[in-house]
Amino acid sequence: DTGVSQDPRHKITKRGQNVTFRCDPISEHNRLYWYRQTLGQGPEFLTYFQNEAQLEKSRLLSDRFSAERPKGSFSTLEIQRTEQGDSAMYLCASSLDRIRETQYFGPGTRLLVL
Amino acid sequence: AQSVTQLDSHVSVSEGTPVLLRCNYSSSYSPSLFWYVQHPNKGLQLLLKYTSAATLVKGINGFEAEFKKSETSFHLTKPSAHMSDAAEYFCVVSPGAYGGSQGNLIFGKGTKLSVKP
Repeated sequence: DTGVSQDPRHKITKRGQNVTFRCDPISEHNRLYWYRQTLGQGPEFLTYFQNEAQLEKSRLLSDRFSAERPKGSFSTLEIQRTEQGDSAMYLCASSLDRIRETQYFGPGTRLLVL
Repeated sequence: AQSVTQLDSHVSVSEGTPVLLRCNYSSSYSPSLFWYVQHPNKGLQLLLKYTSAATLVKGINGFEAEFKKSETSFHLTKPSAHMSDAAEYFCVVSPGAYGGSQGNLIFGKGTKLSVKP
């Protein structure tokens, strides 16, 4: 399978714990995006990488959130001191390095904070 | 600022009848527009996209959408609904570099399509 993969698919954690999600993009894609989707809403943009550089961050990305893409391949999204409001589906997408390119989405990681 | 409004949160049709999912956009620039579909427990899948070429865009599974600049609309249609079309559909705008962004997508709130036998 050569699509975008995400791990884990589901995560249940207690409030205050740290969690880390991983995204593996399509291999030739330079751009990688993170989105968050809450129940009944469309996905909302969090942050974006071009190769290893994090070029844009949404106001939704509080200081408890950090994302990395150290070698320009896979990316990790860490949430520190989780809160119940962090419960959501976290989606990763990748695309070629051209404006208006199609973004291909992974299956998402569903986070539940108890 | 760019935004997308999906006019119906839920649409219900009978199998074999036409589908119309309505979307209006707001953009100060010439946007790219997309429709994505999300089946339960599955990832978002691209149905079709408009990038300033032909205004009538054909997508997968018999869906198509027409870009109407004068009406700022990008409605999704299908002549005959199938049971497998039941899913959540998202209208999406990407302002591109001209919108001051480098390509993040702006999603509508979604329209849930139900198909009755």
